[in-house]
Amino acid sequence: EAGVVQSPRYKIIEKKQPVAFWCNPISGHNTLYWYLQNLGQGPELLIRYENEEAVDDSQLPKDRFSAERLKGVDSTLKIQPAELGDSAVYLCASSLSPGGHTEAFFGQGTRLTVV
Amino acid sequence: QKEVEQDPGPLSVPEGAIVSLNCTYSNSAFQYFMWYRQYSRKGPELLMYTYSSGNKEDGRFTAQVDKSSKYISLFIRDSQPSDSATYLCAMKSGGSYIPTFGRGTSLIVHP
Repeated sequence: EAGVVQSPRYKIIEKKQPVAFWCNPISGHNTLYWYLQNLGQGPELLIRYENEEAVDDSQLPKDRFSAERLKGVDSTLKIQPAELGDSAVYLCASSLSPGGHTEAFFGQGTRLTVV
Repeated sequence: QKEVEQDPGPLSVPEGAIVSLNCTYSNSAFQYFMWYRQYSRKGPELLMYTYSSGNKEDGRFTAQVDKSSKYISLFIRDSQPSDSATYLCAMKSGGSYIPTFGRGTSLIVHP
């Protein structure tokens, strides 16, 4: 069974340009997470979905970031416009349910470089 | 002060050594403790998951939790070059769905 699939793996854009990342979670996983990982740091949550509903998005910079999870499966994360400080790895993860005993599986991430 | 503190390393050891990786935390509400391994340019993968104080063993890996000291450890026995990666501790409270991660410790096991 395929794991969490993210694309693209790498993206280089100029500042002020828009960018979008795509995530396909593990089949049957209701919970989907987007994390930001800066170099030398642990992942930090941006947004969590339960099916189609965004239930935890307090850390998402809503002036430039947006996310959607149509039909409760695939998800996209968008940045518009991108800033130099957005350069980081964007990780998607999914789990069966959000409870404390369930494991979250991570994708390989999208490495964004803003120049 | 961050809720979870972890020395970034790098920690360099010879093959076969016993490795000790550690994290301290300040939030006494944390109840679930995890260790993730992250290879270069890959996503984190869960290695160990513990709930209570004490030890949990899985093959060459042992996770140890001391809630009284707010200190957790991951021990790797007979370390191999394939263990070279960044090890992230993570923890969460009973009422939270989202773990708080440490910054990770880079481990290098040289032949």
